[in-house]
Amino acid sequence: DGGITQSPKYLFRKEGQNVTLSCEQNLNHDAMYWYRQDPGQGLRLIYYSQIVNDFQKGDIAEGYSVSREKKESFPLTVTSAQKNPTAFYLCASRWTSGGSTDTQYFGPGTRLTVL
Amino acid sequence: AQSVAQPEDQVNVAEGNPLTVKCTYSVSGNPYLFWYVQYPNRGLQFLLKYITGDNLVKGSYGFEAEFNKSQTSFHLKKPSALVSDSALYFCAVRGEDMRFGAGTRLTVKP
Repeated sequence: DGGITQSPKYLFRKEGQNVTLSCEQNLNHDAMYWYRQDPGQGLRLIYYSQIVNDFQKGDIAEGYSVSREKKESFPLTVTSAQKNPTAFYLCASRWTSGGSTDTQYFGPGTRLTVL
Repeated sequence: AQSVAQPEDQVNVAEGNPLTVKCTYSVSGNPYLFWYVQYPNRGLQFLLKYITGDNLVKGSYGFEAEFNKSQTSFHLKKPSALVSDSALYFCAVRGEDMRFGAGTRLTVKP
């Protein structure tokens, strides 16, 4: 899991509530990513950011929001608009100096459960 | 757009036997291919990657992968499986962005 931390490890949310998942990295990576993992579906990209104060939608951005105010931090907010938020959420980061060859590293994940 | 396929949801091997986890890819341009392993309730751990050069790539924990351009494959291999290798394995390809396969669950039985 390297220098990428995610908190909390487990999170429970009531329907209609917004929750924010934390992702911090001390690897001086430029790019950061959020993925959602559901059983049997692999990883799906929610949002990514290649530089501070800029981010792009991934494949399943609806119902989620992010910010990138600092290079080391990329929090993800799961809003009440996300209809099926129960999943395992993974944050990742990488350098971009090597272009497509740079390895992406992952945090330990946050398991979100909607009650 | 790039994609990967992992044709086997589950692979079972006996401890001490060789193992192979299959991956095929589709990408325009140079293929940059990665293998990750995931243990229960953990993040993905990087095992190895192919960028260019030797078709046999060696990685962590005794794993290696063979790149085959003509078959567009990047199979993960290990000569002698351990029970502790039991986990979920993901193949990924980077093109415009990173695409992951659905994962293959490897079970190594004693």
